[in-house]
Amino acid sequence: KQEVTQIPAALSVPEGENLVLNCSFTDSAIYNLQWFRQDPGKGLTSLLLIQSSQREQTSGRLNASLDKSSGRSTLYIAASQPGDSATYLCAVRRGGATNKLIFGTGTLLAVQP
Amino acid sequence: EAQVTQNPRYLITVTGKKLTVTCSQNMNHEYMSWYRQDPGLGLRQIYYSMNVEVTDKGDVPEGYKVSRKEKRNFPLILESPSPNQTSLYFCASSPWGTSSYEQYFGPGTRLTVT
Repeated sequence: KQEVTQIPAALSVPEGENLVLNCSFTDSAIYNLQWFRQDPGKGLTSLLLIQSSQREQTSGRLNASLDKSSGRSTLYIAASQPGDSATYLCAVRRGGATNKLIFGTGTLLAVQP
Repeated sequence: EAQVTQNPRYLITVTGKKLTVTCSQNMNHEYMSWYRQDPGLGLRQIYYSMNVEVTDKGDVPEGYKVSRKEKRNFPLILESPSPNQTSLYFCASSPWGTSSYEQYFGPGTRLTVT
């Protein structure tokens, strides 16, 4: 059974710091991995999608890496800003008909001004 | 604007009173899905649909029904809600095929059953 873990559960950093959020999964047979951002009272915003054949994806100040063999992904945020404060979720899609995403429980990030 | 919409956004109801949460997408996506989010448990899939008239159970389908009569709509039905269905619900959609597509999520519906 696929399990997705995110560490740390919460993180507080001063503005301007570079930071790394971690995601690990137990079954390396994934189709892709997606990073989301969730703001309080709002839905999930897709940040980056990494296909199983890719090693990393970049969008602006965000860079996500994927190491399938070790079951790990990291989300790197450069020069953090208070507006980056949110919960970050990673989700893996396993193969098969369900197209189901299996989510971690998230990392709550607070960027202090 | 490409989006997934859900209604209502907030709902407080009583045990046993049937309710429907609507979900609609304007991206012509084949695949749609419902998730619930609970503290400490993350998001879990309730039901999914690969196309019109094709639906199947996810991980936590008990107490829920769905239908897919039109491609754009995928309502979630709680025929007899109970307090353990108090949760934050998300609808998602994506294309369906051999390529690997990202999923788009609606804004969520916060349901409280008393």
